[in-house]
Amino acid sequence: DTGVSQDPRHKITKRGQNVTFRCDPISEHNRLYWYRQTLGQGPEFLTYFQNEAQLEKSRLLSDRFSAERPKGSFSTLEIQRTEQGDSAMYLCASSSYRDVNYGYTFGSGTRLTVV
Amino acid sequence: AQSVTQPDIHITVSEGASLELRCNYSYGATPYLFWYVQSPGQGLQLLLKYFSGDTLVQGIKGFEAEFKRSQSSFNLRKPSVHWSDAAEYFCAVGGPHYGGSQGNLIFGKGTKLSVKP
Repeated sequence: DTGVSQDPRHKITKRGQNVTFRCDPISEHNRLYWYRQTLGQGPEFLTYFQNEAQLEKSRLLSDRFSAERPKGSFSTLEIQRTEQGDSAMYLCASSSYRDVNYGYTFGSGTRLTVV
Repeated sequence: AQSVTQPDIHITVSEGASLELRCNYSYGATPYLFWYVQSPGQGLQLLLKYFSGDTLVQGIKGFEAEFKRSQSSFNLRKPSVHWSDAAEYFCAVGGPHYGGSQGNLIFGKGTKLSVKP
């Protein structure tokens, strides 16, 4: 098991473009989380999946953001019509519902820069 | 509202010196508490966690933390800091029914640790 993988590691895009990030969780983990981390801040919760079901979305997740986990395995986070304020590190984490001790494992993140 | 406060934005200690990073939380019930470490450009690594029981928790890399309910604190300590400990440290709080979710965490803003040779 190679842990949680995120792709790409870095993305530079022009304002107004769409971007998509991918997260591959640990294979036996059925829970998957997306967080956003801006400079000088801690990670902020965006959304959460259990298997393929998106069970919670933060109010930070505007209409321009959409996340999917079609087969309960990898997940994608798409941002449409990017704005400079979207520049941040996007972190993915996974855990198993059987692990009541909150066995979160984070990926290395995707750093988005909107120019 | 539930929140986590890390009062120190940046701390510098000499290698070999002891370390204490402060964390205060606001939470309506017994919290689940965590400390994570983040190296530049990397994701977060779990150092330790507290759910219940012994209020002194041991973690990886020689770190420990003490839960003090009366002070709403969960401070991280290490008796002797190594240069490789230089990183950013985040305290987080959560719970099984936190905010109606199934386990998302609230993070503090982090404390950046620098280590002098």
